[in-house]
Amino acid sequence: QKEVEQDPGPLSVPEGAIVSLNCTYSNSAFQYFMWYRQYSRKGPELLMYTYSSGNKEDGRFTAQVDKSSKYISLFIRDSQPSDSATYLCAMNRNDYKLSFGAGTTVTVRA
Amino acid sequence: NAGVMQNPRHLVRRRGQEARLRCSPMKGHSHVYWYRQLPEEGLKFMVYLQKENIIDESGMPKERFSAEFPKEGPSILRIQQVVRGDSAAYFCASSQQGRDQPQHFGDGTRLSIL
Repeated sequence: QKEVEQDPGPLSVPEGAIVSLNCTYSNSAFQYFMWYRQYSRKGPELLMYTYSSGNKEDGRFTAQVDKSSKYISLFIRDSQPSDSATYLCAMNRNDYKLSFGAGTTVTVRA
Repeated sequence: NAGVMQNPRHLVRRRGQEARLRCSPMKGHSHVYWYRQLPEEGLKFMVYLQKENIIDESGMPKERFSAEFPKEGPSILRIQQVVRGDSAAYFCASSQQGRDQPQHFGDGTRLSIL
């Protein structure tokens, strides 16, 4: 079993829809949780960074962490074609090594 | 550009040659990490360095791979005697001091082995 499992996708939604992305993890030692966005042929770009259970909002993005269920989510409201990318969840213990999900590719149709 | 800088962006090597990948961290960042991304797989941690020190190389293959972050200049990931299986995208990330500091990534070096 992988340490971090991410919904594989791909996901295709119409412009303006809410995009919902999910990851589960098996190791309760994970403390910090991140979402990265990766455009084709580019590096991962940090979108959200949280370390506690609950919700964190930044503009159209909301990150949700449920440590009791070992489950994290990213919601994108009012999705735009420019949101079309691969989204990676990542997490680490207190040791710097990030463990990544395999990524979910999202296409927002104009 | 104040971001993480990696070069070259693309590197082609023949089997048996050496590959050298360079990474300059963001300004103010003293911690460097290398990750490898294979097709259809997530990023995998390779090594974590601070200036002149390897802190954690638990994700690095035991043979042919080495990394350094000298006092002056960029961090270098070196792969000796490359094989076809080394073809991948190699990403460097950097962060500030502190376990709670997020890592910021460069755009990677895509290594192709002929």
